[in-house]
Amino acid sequence: QQQVKQSPQSLIVQKGGISIINCAYENTAFDYFPWYQQFPGKGPALLIAIRPDVSEKKEGRFTISFNKSAKQFSLHIMDSQPGDSATYFCAASMVSGGGADGLTFGKGTHLIIQP
Amino acid sequence: ETGVTQTPRHLVMGMTNKKSLKCEQHLGHNAMYWYKQSAKKPLELMFVYNFKEQTENNSVPSRFSPECPNSSHLFLHLHTLQPEDSALYLCASSQQTRTEAFFGQGTRLTVV
Repeated sequence: QQQVKQSPQSLIVQKGGISIINCAYENTAFDYFPWYQQFPGKGPALLIAIRPDVSEKKEGRFTISFNKSAKQFSLHIMDSQPGDSATYFCAASMVSGGGADGLTFGKGTHLIIQP
Repeated sequence: ETGVTQTPRHLVMGMTNKKSLKCEQHLGHNAMYWYKQSAKKPLELMFVYNFKEQTENNSVPSRFSPECPNSSHLFLHLHTLQPEDSALYLCASSQQTRTEAFFGQGTRLTVV
């Protein structure tokens, strides 16, 4: 079964620090890797996504690093703020596979930024 | 607003009840999904509809019955549920399957 393994399960970071969340996947056919952010009482919202043709993508304080050979990708949140406290999910799919299913998600990381 | 609206936001139902969850997307997308979110578990894909046709059913018990009358609306009909079915049920849509999905706020379901 396709899996995406996410770690850590929970993370506490001081304000201004760097938050790092890691994911590993098994299926080498995956070619789309998004990260979602979910606040309590809300549905997940797309934060940033990457395709395997690049090793890094940056949007503001959020950066995805992608290591195709290791089948790993990570989310870095620079200058972490209390408002970043949320649950973060990595996901993966085979966009070019022509299939008709959805995203495969990791279990999520509960991030707390302490003031 | 995310463009994907789910109703109701909260639902408490007995094990013998029949209820339906509703989802509507205003994004012009072609694919719609039902996901189940339980504590400490990955989001579980339940059903996928692509151009109104069901394309995926991930071994979901028959007490969950989806319906997609058009590309903008998706329902999840519930009957004779079990307490372990209590969870957050999320609807999502995307332009095509496997791409960027937009989620609704979910329906918090409690089965008593």
